[in-house]
Amino acid sequence: EDQVTQSPEALRLQEGESSSLNCSYTVSGLRGLFWYRQDPGKGPEFLFTLYSAGEEKEKERLKATLTKKESFLHITAPKPEDSATYLCAVQGGWYGNNRLAFGKGNQVVVIP
Amino acid sequence: DTGVSQDPRHKITKRGQNVTFRCDPISEHNRLYWYRQTLGQGPEFLTYFQNEAQLEKSRLLSDRFSAERPKGSFSTLEIQRTEQGDSAMYLCASSTTGFSGMDEQFFGPGTRLTVL
Repeated sequence: EDQVTQSPEALRLQEGESSSLNCSYTVSGLRGLFWYRQDPGKGPEFLFTLYSAGEEKEKERLKATLTKKESFLHITAPKPEDSATYLCAVQGGWYGNNRLAFGKGNQVVVIP
Repeated sequence: DTGVSQDPRHKITKRGQNVTFRCDPISEHNRLYWYRQTLGQGPEFLTYFQNEAQLEKSRLLSDRFSAERPKGSFSTLEIQRTEQGDSAMYLCASSTTGFSGMDEQFFGPGTRLTVL
């Protein structure tokens, strides 16, 4: 069974204080790793897909990287509007297994 | 296209009642998913449709739960004889067939169910 562990569970940052979120995964044949952002009471918002080790993707202050065992979401010079829960999910195994297995999320609060 | 929509956004019901939720996917997305999310947890997969065919169901989906996607467009999720443990956010996502079977799933706003 695919498993995803995210750390730290919660993080408080001062505005401008860069940090990284970790997503460790166990999957039989990784087909893709996904990062989502979720605001309270709302559905997850898609951020990135990473397919293979060594891949990196960027969007504004966010940068996602992938190794064979984990992924990192780097937040550079965060602003209060970056406060959210960041969810990591994996899709693995055989073609046709389309379910995503999610971690519990990293809850980020950016203080002005 | 404005994305995945879900209705209702909130539902409060009494234990033992039946409830039905609706999901309208992004136009032309042939894949549709249902997930459930409880407080402090990530979404958990419930079931998946490709067009009108229900191809996969989680063991979380007890026989009180049924999902349909007639004509491969919108989908409904029905919960019969609701229990307090069914209280959660029910999320719908859709995607279209991508490279090597990979697809990016786009989520709706969710339906918050509270069972009293």
